Amino acid sequence: DIQMTQSPSTLSVSIGDRVTITCRASQSIGMWLAWYQQKPGKAPNLLIYKASTLQSGVPSRFSGSASGTEFTLTISGLQPDDFATYYCQQYNRYPWTFGQGTKVEVK
Amino acid sequence: QVQLQESGPGLVKPSETLSLTCVVSGGSVSSSNYYWSWIRQPPGKGLEWIGYFYYNAGTNYKPSLKNRVTISVDTSKNQFSLKLTSVTAADTAVYYCARDQDGGVQVYWGQGILVTVSS
Repeated sequence: DIQMTQSPSTLSVSIGDRVTITCRASQSIGMWLAWYQQKPGKAPNLLIYKASTLQSGVPSRFSGSASGTEFTLTISGLQPDDFATYYCQQYNRYPWTFGQGTKVEVK
Repeated sequence: QVQLQESGPGLVKPSETLSLTCVVSGGSVSSSNYYWSWIRQPPGKGLEWIGYFYYNAGTNYKPSLKNRVTISVDTSKNQFSLKLTSVTAADTAVYYCARDQDGGVQVYWGQGILVTVSS
């Protein structure tokens, strides 16, 4: 299985901060990476796919980038609604696998 | 708008079979362009893809679960189902059904159903 390693596990931030979450794949996955946001008691919500394509309806403060096997999710100017847990997922090869999650919490 | 709704028992005894159903509205499980998946999340932990059904192409399961998992579809009821045999406490999780876009990106999700394995 392809291992997806996210860092950090927890991020303590303030409103307006620029937030960066990293996801590293254990082998090449091309650009086949998605980012999800999950709030407590809810299903995940797709933010970005193909590493950098913003899903329809997602605010433009969310962006994604890639460099080899390292992928980054950036939130430019954190808003109150953004406190949540974020997951990456590779869909290049079966079984599809997720990172362990990054919790963005109030500082 | 595609909507998915999971249903099934919330409590299963160890060694028994977990059975869940996902009813789909706003879309058809017989559409040949989509993967209909089951994904689970143990309490307080991350997400684990279990497997999918793809119309006209069959199923694909996570290898570590393959011996215990069956995903089937009922086109007449527009639903698909998950069976997981010989469950243990490690199978306790919120189970989600989902549909993809772009070949593996999960864009539509059910609300999730908590299944607890306990005697």
